Parts: sequence; C-alpha cells; structure tokens
Amino acid sequence: ETGVTQSPTHLIKTRGQQVTLRCSSQSGHNTVSWYQQALGQGPQFIFQYYREEENGRGNFPPRFSGLQFPNYSSELNVNALELDDSALYLCASRKDIGGKDEAFFGQGTRLTVV
Amino acid sequence: AQRVTQPEKLLSVFKGAPVELKCNYSYSGSPELFWYVQYSRQRLQLLLRHISRESIKGFTADLNKGETSFHLKKPFAQEEDSAMYYCALRSASSNTGKLIFGQGTTLQVKP
Repeated sequence: ETGVTQSPTHLIKTRGQQVTLRCSSQSGHNTVSWYQQALGQGPQFIFQYYREEENGRGNFPPRFSGLQFPNYSSELNVNALELDDSALYLCASRKDIGGKDEAFFGQGTRLTVV
Repeated sequence: AQRVTQPEKLLSVFKGAPVELKCNYSYSGSPELFWYVQYSRQRLQLLLRHISRESIKGFTADLNKGETSFHLKKPFAQEEDSAMYYCALRSASSNTGKLIFGQGTTLQVKP
C-alpha cells in the first residue's frame, strides 16, 4: 500500500505567476483534500475532490482551483500568486466520502513566492 | 464560528512528568474531534480520535461537550513524545471531510 505522495517538495515562484502542485492519493482512496499551512499556523482547508468533482470548499478565492483525475491523483492550481500564498501545501486522501475513515497526509509542498 | 483553540504554543516538561495539551472548540453541530501529531521531518498523522476511545502511545483524550474541550493527556511523558500536536474537528454529519485545525502545540520532553 503506497502512501500519499506530493510533488515537488519545494519550489519558488514570482508574484503574479501561476503554480501547479501535484498529489497521488493513497492506494484505494477516492477522496482528496488540500490544505494550506502558513508558518506557525495549523492547516487550513482549501477544498475537497470526490470522483473528479469539487465537493466542499474553504474560504479561499477562485484563483485557487483543483482537478482530480480518474486515477484519483489530484492537482492544486494557484493563479496570480501573491506573497501571502507562501506556505506548506498539504494533500490528504481518504478511502471514501462520507465515511468515518481517517485522512492520510502527504509530506507537503513548500511554496515560496518572492 | 467554527474554531479550534490550542492556548499553548509550547509545552516543555521533563521525562516522566504528566502531560496535558489543551484543546477547546467552538462548533454549532455535532463534531468529531481528533489529535494529529507531526514528529520531526515526518508527515502529519492521526494520533487518536474521540469516537475510538482508545489509548495510543499512552495518550488519551476525553471529549467534554459541556466544556467544549478535548484535552490530550499522558501520565508519564517520554522523550520520543516530543513533536508538534494539532487538535482538529470535523463535522460528524457532513461529507466534505473538512478538518478544522488549531494552531498547534509543540511538546518538548526534556531528559
């Protein structure tokens, strides 16, 4: 059973650019969530995807968008990057929506916007 | 407002001492409560959840709905318990799986 993997581990972008972060869910998991963790803060929910559709969204602007693919891997896209977007981005997968199962987290992608 | 509050950023204890990491929540519904732990250079992982009512690595947590608290306790701290601990809640009835996290408490267990 493979765990949740995220790529890249680190990247640096310039303000105004666009970025795509990737996540491979744990084997057998069809639900994926994305979180933003600013320095010194707890993770904040961005959105969740289930069967390739967004299902639940946190308080983030539309320039944060996502995709989920048929193999349940996922992408987080952020347009028009701002300095405050600098954070650790975490992906978490669950076995199924609506269940009581736990979320398994990836190691995160550290994004720095300069 | 839905909120999880962990009042201590850092808790430092000696090995063998009791530990209590505090967590209070505000939620207008039926929540599920969790403790997540992040050891140095490792990913965030679930430590325990209130519905399981189990003891993991000697840690326990009891949901007190009257005081809206879910404090994490261990009678005798070990050096390997040093880590960042996050309290989190999730709606018991929603499908979104959205976890609301506190700011985290760093537990430092000194030899």
